[in-house]
Amino acid sequence: DTGVSQDPRHKITKRGQNVTFRCDPISEHNRLYWYRQTLGQGPEFLTYFQNEAQLEKSRLLSDRFSAERPKGSFSTLEIQRTEQGDSAMYLCASSKFGTVQETQYFGPGTRLLVL
Amino acid sequence: DQQVKQNSPSLSVQEGRISILNCDYTNSMFDYFLWYKKYPAEGPTFLISISSIKDKNEDGRFTVFLNKSAKHLSLHIVPSQPGDSAVYFCAASAPGNEKLTFGTGTRLTIIP
Repeated sequence: DTGVSQDPRHKITKRGQNVTFRCDPISEHNRLYWYRQTLGQGPEFLTYFQNEAQLEKSRLLSDRFSAERPKGSFSTLEIQRTEQGDSAMYLCASSKFGTVQETQYFGPGTRLLVL
Repeated sequence: DQQVKQNSPSLSVQEGRISILNCDYTNSMFDYFLWYKKYPAEGPTFLISISSIKDKNEDGRFTVFLNKSAKHLSLHIVPSQPGDSAVYFCAASAPGNEKLTFGTGTRLTIIP
């Protein structure tokens, strides 16, 4: 088991460009989460999937953000028309629904810098 | 509205001594609490958790204590080691609400 992986690890883009991040969860985990972390803060919840269904979205997830998990395995997070305020670490986590104490395990994150 | 608070941004402890990190919460619906450790440029690593039906959980050098009446939990690390230097986040979740709510973190520095 290789853990949660994220790609790319770093992304620098210009304001107004679109970016897409990928997350591969732990293989037997059916829940997948996206969080965002800015400097000096803890991670903040963005959205989560159970299998391929997106079950909850935070108010932080504006119309420019979209997430998918088409086959219930990997997930993508796309940000359209990036703004400087989107600069942050984007974290993916996964967990196994139905375990007694469901623990989320995080990937290494994708650090986004919008110039 | 900060539902999970870590009021100490930083803590320095001598190697071999006990490190105590504190966390307070305001949402009485929280029933599951976790501690994560984070190194720079990496994702949070799960350390230890506790359910609200317990008041203590121990795993090796790490012990988490939960005081539900005070809405307070703490992480004890003993003995502290240089590799423990990192930022520690407290997180909580409520039944039927799968998202984690995190505190702002405490930077622990272990002094050799």
